[in-house]
Amino acid sequence: QVQLVESGGGVVQPGGSLRLSCAASGFTFSNYGMHWVRQAPGKGLEWVTFIPYDGSNKYYADSVKGRFTISRDNSKNTLYLQMNSLRAEDTAVYYCAKDMANYGSGKFEYWGQGTLVTVSS
Amino acid sequence: QSVLTQPPSVSAAPGQKVTISCSGSSSNIGNNYVSWYQQLPGTAPKLLIYDNNKRPSGIPDRFSGSKSGTSATLGITGLQTGDEADYYCGTWDSSLSAEVFGGGTKLTVL
Repeated sequence: QVQLVESGGGVVQPGGSLRLSCAASGFTFSNYGMHWVRQAPGKGLEWVTFIPYDGSNKYYADSVKGRFTISRDNSKNTLYLQMNSLRAEDTAVYYCAKDMANYGSGKFEYWGQGTLVTVSS
Repeated sequence: QSVLTQPPSVSAAPGQKVTISCSGSSSNIGNNYVSWYQQLPGTAPKLLIYDNNKRPSGIPDRFSGSKSGTSATLGITGLQTGDEADYYCGTWDSSLSAEVFGGGTKLTVL
């Protein structure tokens, strides 16, 4: 069965950096696009970024453009999110999600359990 | 302020039917497929409907989706207490080049 397991969350000071990982199993990771979606405490879902199966064209929400970088290592079945210049408003549970297609269809077929990132001094 | 507009809450009695609306524009719902997600309390979201009206394997046919113009609707029949959750619509926005979600609708089964 498909499993997505996020890790790397924690408490970080404003302006700091953090790298999240998402270990995938149960499907051919290299064939599918992947997303990061976040949810601030008590708030709704916010899409963060997408990377296609081959790591080529990436998309970012305006709120994180220039600060966050998505990447993947298909040999390790792992998705990453490098977060720099973190702000208080980046505090959220971060979910990785598998797309239904290789180049992105916007259908978040499977989700991980999420990892909490708290930006606070 | 979300790009897609959903009612904050809806409620109905067990066994009844409820609909949840999702309103957008020509840059998102009007020209792209809509998906719906269910988020039970304390858990990750789950895909409920994709391509406006298709159900993934394992999703009961009590859940249905439709789209007309720049609006989409999620329908749930035979309501159960286990359906109490937050429901989100989502789609691609061609103007923003971004995935967008509605603000979410909290379903209460009275």
